[in-house]
Amino acid sequence: SQKIEQNSEALNIQEGKTATLTCNYTNYSPAYLQWYRQDPGRGPVFLLLIRENEKEKRKERLKVTFDTTLKQSLFHITASQPADSATYLCALDIFTGDKLTFGTGTRLAVRP
Amino acid sequence: DAGVIQSPRHEVTEMGQEVTLRCKLISGHNSLFWYRQTMMRGLELLIYFNNNVPIDDSGMPEDRFSAKMPNASFSTLKIQPSEPRDSAVYFCASSATGSTGELFFGEGSRLTVL
Repeated sequence: SQKIEQNSEALNIQEGKTATLTCNYTNYSPAYLQWYRQDPGRGPVFLLLIRENEKEKRKERLKVTFDTTLKQSLFHITASQPADSATYLCALDIFTGDKLTFGTGTRLAVRP
Repeated sequence: DAGVIQSPRHEVTEMGQEVTLRCKLISGHNSLFWYRQTMMRGLELLIYFNNNVPIDDSGMPEDRFSAKMPNASFSTLKIQPSEPRDSAVYFCASSATGSTGELFFGEGSRLTVL
């Protein structure tokens, strides 16, 4: 079946470490993939978009990779801070040009 | 810009009642999306509009749900009659680049149907 998988278990890390979150998908051929951050009681906020022909994209302490062969995206937060604690959602178009479909998200907790 | 504005933020109603959720888009955006979020199913797309025209409503659960976009800046999502299984957070999002671009979400409307 077609699906987008993110770790359902929370990721707990120490402040200052690098957090790495995964997004795996099956049976899709997305043209791009997006990452969003969601805080409790708030709407998701866009972070980064990476296209199928891009291997890596960076924005400040954030880095996203996109491997269309492995059907996987990795989302890294370097020098993590407690303020980075949130749920992170990946989203992609199921096929080129289609609407966004979201994964269920991974909760990140950064402890001081 | 104020961003996407949703109302009400919280709604508690009884089964069988009509519920209307409202959304104001960001000025200049031409695409509007309604999502529903639950713990079990995550974020699910219900319907989206482009230039006020419904493009894809395949995610609308059943005939009890309807959405309108009477003008370029405003949309409503109506549930009639409501049922307890409709309890969820409903998000509205807008985009300036159609269905495949960055989405700007509102803060959501938390609906509880008793």
